[in-house]
This record gives sequence, structure tokens and C-alpha cells, in this order.
Amino acid sequence: DAGITQSPRHKVTETGTPVTLRCHQTENHRYMYWYRQDPGHGLRLIHYSYGVKDTDKGEVSDGYSVSRSKTEDFLLTLESATSSQTSVYFCAINSGQGGNTGELFFGEGSRLTVL
Amino acid sequence: SQQGEEDPQALSIQEGENATMNCSYKTSINNLQWYRQNSGRGLVHLILIRSNEREKHSGRLRVTLDTSKKSSSLLITASRAADTASYFCATDVRGGSYIPTFGRGTSLIVHP
Repeated sequence: DAGITQSPRHKVTETGTPVTLRCHQTENHRYMYWYRQDPGHGLRLIHYSYGVKDTDKGEVSDGYSVSRSKTEDFLLTLESATSSQTSVYFCAINSGQGGNTGELFFGEGSRLTVL
Repeated sequence: SQQGEEDPQALSIQEGENATMNCSYKTSINNLQWYRQNSGRGLVHLILIRSNEREKHSGRLRVTLDTSKKSSSLLITASRAADTASYFCATDVRGGSYIPTFGRGTSLIVHP
């Protein structure tokens, strides 16, 4: 196993509440990603990080923020959850070195339901 | 918009048959990867093919890449019921940062 864990695995919350999902890796990889997966859309990138305190937006970043204060942890925050953010969220780490993308290792997902 | 798109969206076959799924993409890539996702689980890496490669094999998997057509195919030979899963291609755009972009996937059902 790649040494990547997500928490919580399941969460039900109400509209307007803040939510933080955590991704933890033991591999010391530089690149980490947050994706969301919805029926009919596949995986869409929310945010990614290329180092401590270095993050950038993906294609569906509105309503989300991230932080990476340590190599091993990448946090995804929904400041005020909305029903459209009901989804399965996946964290991934990139094993690539140099100029080419390597294999991605995924967590098991965090299923978020916003009522 | 999706960089890669898999085709077909769904595929249903009998055990022992071969399964072929395709991926088309829009811009030049560094490499292309295929992943499998079992229901309720995270994605698992299957194979990576670089832009200067045309074919790769891994066990019962065969991947081809045609950069002139911006397309790739994944062939699973002698399918088993355990191959039932969704399959995704992911591309890493040349010149970009490490941003793998996924398609919507092909749902494969292998009937015993």
C-alpha cells in the first residue's frame, strides 16, 4: 500500500457548515491532489500542492480552499458547505520524479453528504 | 473540460472474452496512464505509457498509444469476473505542471 489515508471516510453535514477533509501520506512525495468524483463527470481536480505552502487551483476550485503546512498533510476545507458539494473526494499523491508524472496513489475516498 | 475521454462509456462481456476500451485526448501529452476503480474504492494504477512509446504490456493488459491520433487503447485479454470495474485514462499535459487529468471512465462488467 502507498501510505495514503483520508479522514473522515464518511461525513454528513448541513448546508452552511464548515468541513475539513484530511489527507495524510507517509511517502514524502512532493505533489498531492484533491479530486472530486461525481456520476457523469469522472474525477475533477479541485486543488493541488507541489510543496509545503505551495498550492494551486484546479478546474473546480470555487468554494474550496486547501492548506499544506507539512509535507505529509494536505487539508481540503469547505468554508460553507452547499448541497452541490455532496460528492466523493479523493486525495492522491504523485510518485513521479523529474519532469514526468509518475504513478498516482489514491486514498480510499471521503464520502461527503451535505443536507 | 475533460482532457481525456474514454469510449465506450459502458461495456458488458462474458468471462474469457477480450475487452477493449479507448481514450482520446486533446493536447500533446508527456504520458498517459490507465487506472482501475472497483466499486466504492480508490483508483489503482494499471500502466503508464510515455509519449515516445507505442505499446506496453503488463500481464493480461496491453496498452497502445497513437500520438498522431491523440488516442490510446486498453485491451484486457481473457477477461475475468474480477475485472469488473471502471477504467480511467489520465493524461499529463506536456509543458504543464504535474496535473493528471482524468476522463469520465468506462464501466466494464464481466459476466461469469
